[in-house]
Amino acid sequence: QKEVEQNSGPLSVPEGAIASLNCTYSDRGSQSFFWYRQYSGKSPELIMSIYSNGDKEDGRFTAQLNKASQYVSLLIRDSQPSDSATYLCAVRQGNLIFGKGTKLSVKP
Amino acid sequence: EAQVTQNPRYLITVTGKKLTVTCSQNMNHEYMSWYRQDPGLGLRQIYYSMNVEVTDKGDVPEGYKVSRKEKRNFPLILESPSPNQTSLYFCASSSINRGRSDTQYFGPGTRLTVL
Repeated sequence: QKEVEQNSGPLSVPEGAIASLNCTYSDRGSQSFFWYRQYSGKSPELIMSIYSNGDKEDGRFTAQLNKASQYVSLLIRDSQPSDSATYLCAVRQGNLIFGKGTKLSVKP
Repeated sequence: EAQVTQNPRYLITVTGKKLTVTCSQNMNHEYMSWYRQDPGLGLRQIYYSMNVEVTDKGDVPEGYKVSRKEKRNFPLILESPSPNQTSLYFCASSSINRGRSDTQYFGPGTRLTVL
């Protein structure tokens, strides 16, 4: 069974720090990798997508993909209280599989 | 505007009364999916569809039905709802292009309560 694993947290970081979120996946044939942010009771919203090994940066967010080790991570620099949310990792090989999410809390 | 719409947004019903939650997308996406979300359990996939007339079970399909007669619509049917189907439901769609355009878009959610 294809699985996507995330640490459920909560992950607590002080404002201005770097938050590091990790995700591992089981299907070596996976092609596309996504990070979504979800506020309580709201729809998930896309933060980053990544398709190739290495780093991809977008503003304060950096996604990192290592297909050999089957992990994908998300770094949030200069964390803000507004970044407090649940972060969902998703992996696609045909169907899109979500991890259970990591709850991030950024303390002022 | 590109979007996924769901109706109704909120529904309170009683056990055993058949209901349908509609989902529609205007992006010509091949892939559509239904999820339920419960506290502490994350997003759990109910059913998904890779294209018209192609549907497949997700992780928690029991008690649900779907159909995909048209590309834009993917209704979720509860033939005989039970209280354990009380949940927040999301519909989503995406392209299945293996290039750079397979981002999944979510609908706003349907909060269902079964008494």
